[in-house]
Amino acid sequence: SQQGEEDPQALSIQEGENATMNCSYKTSINNLQWYRQNSGRGLVHLILIRSNEREKHSGRLRVTLDTSKKSSSLLITASRAADTASYFCALFYTGGFKTIFGAGTRLFVKA
Amino acid sequence: GAGVSQTPSNKVTEKGKYVELRCDPISGHTALYWYRQSLGQGPEFLIYFQGTGAADDSGLPNDRFFAVRPEGSVSTLKIQRTERGDSAVYLCASSLNQGMNTEAFFGQGTRLTVV
Repeated sequence: SQQGEEDPQALSIQEGENATMNCSYKTSINNLQWYRQNSGRGLVHLILIRSNEREKHSGRLRVTLDTSKKSSSLLITASRAADTASYFCALFYTGGFKTIFGAGTRLFVKA
Repeated sequence: GAGVSQTPSNKVTEKGKYVELRCDPISGHTALYWYRQSLGQGPEFLIYFQGTGAADDSGLPNDRFFAVRPEGSVSTLKIQRTERGDSAVYLCASSLNQGMNTEAFFGQGTRLTVV
């Protein structure tokens, strides 16, 4: 399957704690993106990391990519209740046009 | 426009009917994508347009599904003879350049319910 596999499927943490989500895949990618979705509607782009990059930061977000292990992680530091959402990794495969989404990690941050 | 706009936001239709879902991408975005999302799942790719042409329609589940983008801007996803299994949120996204090698902006989706 070309779909990325995310783990955990669900994560519940206290406000202020860090949240880490992982994504693994099977074939070569051009880039990997992370999206957030609230209430099952529109997705919001968080970070895009290209295959020749290893780490990117955006505010409280840190994304790493290990192409040798075919895996990526999204770290949200100092989480807030407003971070409660579903988080998806999306894979843009080499030689293709489409981006394939994983099944997502459901994050719940308790205030 | 300011963002990707999808209409209607909700559509309830009877099994066997024909429906059209509309997507207005961000002005100037040449790439447009349709996805379908079922409850608890990630978005499932349907079709990708570069300008007016469908560069990749490999995700369309069968010939009841068809999408057009005649002027390279607005796109319409058409579903014939709807089935209950077509019920899902249909998401549209656009990006400035070819492929998703740049940030894609999603609309709020159309929730289709086939009864």
